[in-house]
Amino acid sequence: NAGVTQTPKFQVLKTGQSMTLQCAQDMNHEYMSWYRQDPGMGLRLIHYSVGAGITDQGEVPNGYNVSRSTTEDFPLRLLSAAPSQTSVYFCASRRTGSGNQPQHFGDGTRLSIL
Amino acid sequence: QQQVKQSPQSLIVQKGGISIINCAYENTAFDYFPWYQQFPGKGPALLIAIRPDVSEKKEGRFTISFNKSAKQFSLHIMDSQPGDSATYFCAASASGTYKYIFGTGTRLKVLA
Repeated sequence: NAGVTQTPKFQVLKTGQSMTLQCAQDMNHEYMSWYRQDPGMGLRLIHYSVGAGITDQGEVPNGYNVSRSTTEDFPLRLLSAAPSQTSVYFCASRRTGSGNQPQHFGDGTRLSIL
Repeated sequence: QQQVKQSPQSLIVQKGGISIINCAYENTAFDYFPWYQQFPGKGPALLIAIRPDVSEKKEGRFTISFNKSAKQFSLHIMDSQPGDSATYFCAASASGTYKYIFGTGTRLKVLA
């Protein structure tokens, strides 16, 4: 059971380039989310999805797009990379339903924008 | 009102000692308080969680203490080991919101 898989693990981009960070989960979780982790700032929610075809913005959505065409996949797109987007990006998933459920995280994508 | 404030930012403890990390929140709608442990190069992993209907939850050497009136909760690591050296995040969530609010993290180092 792979859990949450993120690719690539590392990426270096030039300012203005675009790219897609991939996230896939095999736990049939309805809820998926993207966070960025910066020193001293914890994890901040970028976008999230409660099911295929449904997405919504988190705390820091500017500069990022998402889509959810399947339950398993939740890619994060940077349309025009900026140095301020240098960060470690984590994808997470969990079940929805009554009460709160624990989130399962991938191992992250370390992104540098030059 | 959405913030979760975590302290200290870093902590050094001797092997066998007690590590204590504190978090405070403002939003009274929060009803789920997990702690995550993160090792370098890895994603956060759920360590232990508590709901506000109990004041304490213990799992092995890890204990969460919860003070609803003060809107504070803390993680205690008893008999701290070098293998516990990691970054710890507290978080809070309200039912139906699907969002977790994370603290800023505490980097724990346990000296052998």
